Amino acid sequence: SQELEQSPQSLIVQEGKNLTINCTSSKTLYGLYWYKQKYGEGLIFLMMLQKGGEEKSHEKITAKLDEKKQQSSLHITASQPSHAGIYLCGLRAGSYQLTFGKGTKLSVIP
Amino acid sequence: DGGITQSPKYLFRKEGQNVTLSCEQNLNHDAMYWYRQDPGQGLRLIYYSQIVNDFQKGDIAEGYSVSREKKESFPLTVTSAQKNPTAFYLCASRSGTGGNLDTQYFGPGTRLTVL
Repeated sequence: SQELEQSPQSLIVQEGKNLTINCTSSKTLYGLYWYKQKYGEGLIFLMMLQKGGEEKSHEKITAKLDEKKQQSSLHITASQPSHAGIYLCGLRAGSYQLTFGKGTKLSVIP
Repeated sequence: DGGITQSPKYLFRKEGQNVTLSCEQNLNHDAMYWYRQDPGQGLRLIYYSQIVNDFQKGDIAEGYSVSREKKESFPLTVTSAQKNPTAFYLCASRSGTGGNLDTQYFGPGTRLTVL
């Protein structure tokens, strides 16, 4: 079974709106990574969360880690067309490998 | 500029042919990884290497081979034994362990199409 479940699978929002993407794990969350990918390109590292309750922000993107729910959320405030892409969460596994969710495709309509 | 390069960006091959994908990094990172991405799927680990002259199989290593003769380079060969090789291939590297050193950084990817 999939270790990391992302929701929603896709999201269409109007420019200026806020949105949240969730990443739920069947395992204990320790070392959760968020990446962004434009179609046909590599992954761009956004943030890494290490422990429950941790919250990090970069520009208009905030990521949080809820240890009890085994869930991480990525929140974008006042979305812009530049935020469009695929957002992937990755969970640190043994030997510093990463297991990834299937991704959330975000479209931002001007 | 430091970074990870993958070449070529697009690759076409005929069935039955082996093909090698290049991955080079000038970040002085110890560990390197190869992932495969299919439409609607997350990334799946093919092979990884923590140090020169050593590498380990990932979740989907069958039909692939790698080498790690130099710290900067981690080429991936897709052999004719790989039954469904058409995919987007991503290479990544990691500098060390602990804190932000655990982070994997990715190259731009190679799209392989089997004709």
